[in-house]
Amino acid sequence: ETGVTQTPRHLVMGMTNKKSLKCEQHLGHNAMYWYKQSAKKPLELMFVYSLEERVENNSVPSRFSPECPNSSHLFLHLHTLQPEDSALYLCASSQDLALAYNEQFFGPGTRLTVL
Amino acid sequence: ELKVEQNPLFLSMQEGKNYTIYCNYSTTSDRLYWYRQDPGKSLESLFVLLSNGAVKQEGRLMASLDTKARLSTLHITAAVHDLSATYFCAVLDSNYQLIWGAGTKLIIKP
Repeated sequence: ETGVTQTPRHLVMGMTNKKSLKCEQHLGHNAMYWYKQSAKKPLELMFVYSLEERVENNSVPSRFSPECPNSSHLFLHLHTLQPEDSALYLCASSQDLALAYNEQFFGPGTRLTVL
Repeated sequence: ELKVEQNPLFLSMQEGKNYTIYCNYSTTSDRLYWYRQDPGKSLESLFVLLSNGAVKQEGRLMASLDTKARLSTLHITAAVHDLSATYFCAVLDSNYQLIWGAGTKLIIKP
């Protein structure tokens, strides 16, 4: 595997379900991100991790719970979601938060539908 | 609070024509990124612009940054169908977060 991978690619869940999204980066990066992409809205940053520590949580509802067990893996745990949470969830990684270049590399995304 | 505006949001053009996408932002930043997204696909990094006056070119795409005007442009020269995609600009804020524009959906007709 190369780059940033995400599983599953598609997920349909009911409002009472619990599921998790997984992201893995094979680039040796230190920073990882979760984004939400909804139709007709700019990309929204949800969480940022640097060296496995959360550095930003942009007022995301508690029904979204991130986990970063090591610098290569990032999870997004989902529970009691709402239909408006249906979106494309993108994971990204970058070499380091503070580096001048800090280009972010994105995974293919998980298309989430909440019924 | 940093805000990023792109225009136009939708652009339909003929092959062979030139056009420019604009990205304005509201507060000081010296780092701006351009990404491309094909339908159903993820985002692909195109350019990273780090300083005032920076200009980068790749094939038919050229990006520039004017930090004083808080403006970046993505210029498309002699467009071809393969360049049809949605293009996003993103600006780094003081907390090292990327603030994204809404995207410009570009359709290039043969």
